[in-house]
Amino acid sequence: AQSVTQPDIHITVSEGASLELRCNYSYGATPYLFWYVQSPGQGLQLLLKYFSGDTLVQGIKGFEAEFKRSQSSFNLRKPSVHWSDAAEYFCAVVLRSNDYKLSFGAGTTVTVRA
Amino acid sequence: DAGVTQSPTHLIKTRGQQVTLRCSPKSGHDTVSWYQQALGQGPQFIFQYYEEEERQRGNFPDRFSGHQFPNYSSELNVNALLLGDSALYLCASSLYGGLGSGNTIYFGEGSWLTVV
Repeated sequence: AQSVTQPDIHITVSEGASLELRCNYSYGATPYLFWYVQSPGQGLQLLLKYFSGDTLVQGIKGFEAEFKRSQSSFNLRKPSVHWSDAAEYFCAVVLRSNDYKLSFGAGTTVTVRA
Repeated sequence: DAGVTQSPTHLIKTRGQQVTLRCSPKSGHDTVSWYQQALGQGPQFIFQYYEEEERQRGNFPDRFSGHQFPNYSSELNVNALLLGDSALYLCASSLYGGLGSGNTIYFGEGSWLTVV
């Protein structure tokens, strides 16, 4: 079945430590890939996206993601986490360029401890 | 520049009732999409509107309907509410052309619907 999987429901990380959130997709062709962040009281915000080209994508707030076709993965990373990074993170895909339907994973909740 | 605005922020309805949620897109945007986000889950696409017509629809029953007005604002209507309709309803706006063509979609903060 076509799906976006985020294997980790909840991750706790110390402030200043590195963070990696996993995302795997299962589609016939490589979709367009996105990472969003959702903080309490705020709407979903786009962190970065991958369509083609360089497989390492830089985003906002110091985040980056790496696309690996062989593993059908698009993992999100941040070298040094700040307390303000505590939020819910969603991986999402769109199947075609003219598509509006974002298909989201179930999300990973990130807790940052001092 | 106002982003995507939604109203109401919170509401409580009784099973079987009908609800209307409203959305004003980001200035300059002509396409509106609606998503349902149940507690602990990722958002699910309901439908997308452009030029006052529903252009794309997700796997939701006909109880979910919408409308887009000439000023690009939109409404989501849900009839015969079920307990399972309790969720955060997100509106998002973008320019026409699809999200894989480089357009960025902007989300509102959502409307929390509780069905009792």
